[in-house]
Amino acid sequence: NAGVTQTPKFQVLKTGQSMTLQCAQDMNHEYMSWYRQDPGMGLRLIHYSVGAGITDQGEVPNGYNVSRSTTEDFPLRLLSAAPSQTSVYFCASSSPGTGKNSPLHFGNGTRLTVT
Amino acid sequence: GEDVEQSLFLSVREGDSSVINCTYTDSSSTYLYWYKQEPGAGLQLLTYIFSNMDMKQDQRLTVLLNKKDKHLSLRIADTQTGDSAIYFCAEDKGFQKLVFGTGTRLLVSP
Repeated sequence: NAGVTQTPKFQVLKTGQSMTLQCAQDMNHEYMSWYRQDPGMGLRLIHYSVGAGITDQGEVPNGYNVSRSTTEDFPLRLLSAAPSQTSVYFCASSSPGTGKNSPLHFGNGTRLTVT
Repeated sequence: GEDVEQSLFLSVREGDSSVINCTYTDSSSTYLYWYKQEPGAGLQLLTYIFSNMDMKQDQRLTVLLNKKDKHLSLRIADTQTGDSAIYFCAEDKGFQKLVFGTGTRLLVSP
């Protein structure tokens, strides 16, 4: 059982380049989300999805697009990378519910540097 | 505001108790969580508490909730070097949209 898989682990982009961060989960979870982690700021929610075909914005959505065509996959797209998007990105998934019965499962992160 | 606040750093000796504090923002939050992050890894759920509870104990972990002051704490008894990590508190805004604190780096020395 792979859990939440993120690729790539590391990426360096030049300003203005585009790329897609991949996230896949094999737990049949309905909820998926993307967070970014910056020093001294904890994790901030970028976008989330409560099911295939449904996405919504989180706290810091600007500069990022998402889609959810399948239950398993939730890619995050940067259309024109900026240095302010240098961060560690985490994908997470869970099933509906709260508490320990449906915790967020996190991937191991993608470290992105934009020069 | 939207900030969930934590102290940045805590250093303890092996065998001591550690207490990590957090203040959160929304008195209507239903679930509050503690996550642990080890270097190079994602976050791992440690424990959680429902907002109508004052305390929850889970083996070496004790969570205390003061809803009036919006204060949450995590106590780790008999702290071990393997407990060294960053600890995040988080409040659930619904649909598993979590607002995280800034994280507390716990260093356990032998």
